[in-house]
Amino acid sequence: NAGVTQTPKFQVLKTGQSMTLQCAQDMNHNSMYWYRQDPGMGLRLIYYSASEGTTDKGEVPNGYNVSRLNKREFSLRLESAAPSQTSVYFCASSADAGAYNEQFFGPGTRLTVL
Amino acid sequence: ELKVEQNPLFLSMQEGKNYTIYCNYSTTSDRLYWYRQDPGKSLESLFVLLSNGAVKQEGRLMASLDTKARLSTLHITAAVHDLSATYFCAVEFMNRDDKIIFGKGTRLHILP
Repeated sequence: NAGVTQTPKFQVLKTGQSMTLQCAQDMNHNSMYWYRQDPGMGLRLIYYSASEGTTDKGEVPNGYNVSRLNKREFSLRLESAAPSQTSVYFCASSADAGAYNEQFFGPGTRLTVL
Repeated sequence: ELKVEQNPLFLSMQEGKNYTIYCNYSTTSDRLYWYRQDPGKSLESLFVLLSNGAVKQEGRLMASLDTKARLSTLHITAAVHDLSATYFCAVEFMNRDDKIIFGKGTRLHILP
């Protein structure tokens, strides 16, 4: 079992460029999440998906879009990157939004926007 | 407003000492999670606390939950250098669409 995988691991963008961060899990989890981590800020939820076909905004959704492609995959898109989106992005999954939600995290993507 | 506060945010301690990290939260919850993050790495689940009075222990770490006080503690006994990491608590607010809010983390540095 690979758990939660993310690609790419590192990315450098110029302001205004777009990109998609990919996330996949092989644990048959229903819920998936995208977080960003900035120094001194902890983890902040960008978007989450409680089940295939549904997505909801988190604390900091502006500038991002998501797609829950199927039960395994949840992608995060930056349409027009800004320097404020320089961060480490983590994808996570959990078994069931109705039960307890211990989350399992991917390795992260370090994104720099110049 | 949903808030989760950890303290201290930074802790430097000697090996062999005991210490406690505190996680306070703003409104009713009986689901709380502790995670560990090593520098440059991802987060790893440590403990899942699901009811008032829950206590979990793993090695030198013990976590507890007091839902009436809205407080969880992570106690470190006889610290060793390998426990140096950042520790996060996360609270699941079931009456608020199951929102999960993370604390800002406690960076623990254990000096040999």
